[in-house]
Amino acid sequence: GESVGLHLPTLSVQEGDNSIINCAYSNSASDYFIWYKQESGKGPQFIIDIRSNMDKRQGQRVTVLLNKTVKHLSLQIAATQPGDSAVYFCAENIWGDKIIFGKGTRLHILP
Amino acid sequence: DGGITQSPKYLFRKEGQNVTLSCEQNLNHDAMYWYRQDPGQGLRLIYYSQIVNDFQKGDIAEGYSVSREKKESFPLTVTSAQKNPTAFYLCASSITGTGGSTDTQYFGPGTRLTVL
Repeated sequence: GESVGLHLPTLSVQEGDNSIINCAYSNSASDYFIWYKQESGKGPQFIIDIRSNMDKRQGQRVTVLLNKTVKHLSLQIAATQPGDSAVYFCAENIWGDKIIFGKGTRLHILP
Repeated sequence: DGGITQSPKYLFRKEGQNVTLSCEQNLNHDAMYWYRQDPGQGLRLIYYSQIVNDFQKGDIAEGYSVSREKKESFPLTVTSAQKNPTAFYLCASSITGTGGSTDTQYFGPGTRLTVL
């Protein structure tokens, strides 16, 4: 399959542990942020989003934290499972402008 | 994949040939996008369309062309002028294309294009 994650930073996590994936965004005017998951050979899949007027949002097993002071976004995955193995990337959006995508982090699950 | 389909999944092209990648969505989204993905790089925008019969160049439009004759369809043609076309191509759509939460982009499964 397509290897879209070559040369990306890799995070290795033991199965069952929590994973924290970080993203530094570029524009202080960005007001909307999205996390995507991309499995090998597939298109990116929407995971969770957050607006700039929030600092935390929770979904099913995932939490996104936003720190606007340092322009930092993180994705926390609870009780990491083998199916979580993928490349994760963040995206930032300024109202009326296009979305900017990060390069991504590969999450590797250790048995 | 959420209502966005791309075909074919794999495509091989000889140098000097044009090739067209298909993208269809049944989400009733106004906006559609084409991205190119290369190993170790973020998604790069090729073209986007916010409404039928209108489209704009993205960051790397040279060597590519698009059409938007129908709301559901946004085909991408990779022309012989594209110097390095081997890549993974992703199509996406969003409700409005104007930004904010309604601009969340949903992606198709991708087409892997290889130039022989």
